[in-house]
Amino acid sequence: ETGVTQSPTHLIKTRGQQVTLRCSSQSGHNTVSWYQQALGQGPQFIFQYYREEENGRGNFPPRFSGLQFPNYSSELNVNALELDDSALYLCASSLDRWSTDTQYFGPGTRLTVL
Amino acid sequence: AQTVTQSQPEMSVQEAETVTLSCTYDTSESNYYLFWYKQPPSRQMILVIRQEAYKQQNATENRFSVNFQKAAKSFSLKISDSQLGDTAMYFCAFTQGAQKLVFGQGTRLTINP
Repeated sequence: ETGVTQSPTHLIKTRGQQVTLRCSSQSGHNTVSWYQQALGQGPQFIFQYYREEENGRGNFPPRFSGLQFPNYSSELNVNALELDDSALYLCASSLDRWSTDTQYFGPGTRLTVL
Repeated sequence: AQTVTQSQPEMSVQEAETVTLSCTYDTSESNYYLFWYKQPPSRQMILVIRQEAYKQQNATENRFSVNFQKAAKSFSLKISDSQLGDTAMYFCAFTQGAQKLVFGQGTRLTINP
């Protein structure tokens, strides 16, 4: 176990709805990253937060947004859901924002958009 | 483009055998880190091994070792004395920029009893 938790485990939404996914990082970890993993693919970087500020973003539209809180929890919000948003969403926490720091992943949230 | 290529979509070996998973990557970064992650059916991505690109010595972690060829941009994973619990998807990845991980498509490894 990595000490990183995510909720919910599974979620079903319809196209056009909004969704919030939650992540609880390891205590003391100042950085959280979010990844989208489509079926049969490797994870794709969405964005990273460091001390509650966005610290880098991948090739995802603005309807993907995030928040990080001082209590080591964070959220991924997706507005105007599309069918292609169906995927496993992974969060990963690390001690700091440097490439030397190992990222520890949560078990993921499986989102299905109908 | 920053990419990772895993040329073996699936592999299958018998328990106790040795297996090698291939990975090549492309990056313009001069300093980076390489990783192998394991994702069992439980979905949790678990770090198997990491390699600093500036280190020539290959990393090892118990039954897991890597063959890092920087000039060839190759980073293969060798699993010795394979066990049933090694059955999983294996992803090769490297850090781009500060901490963005770039992943390959994965290799599905099955260990047969």
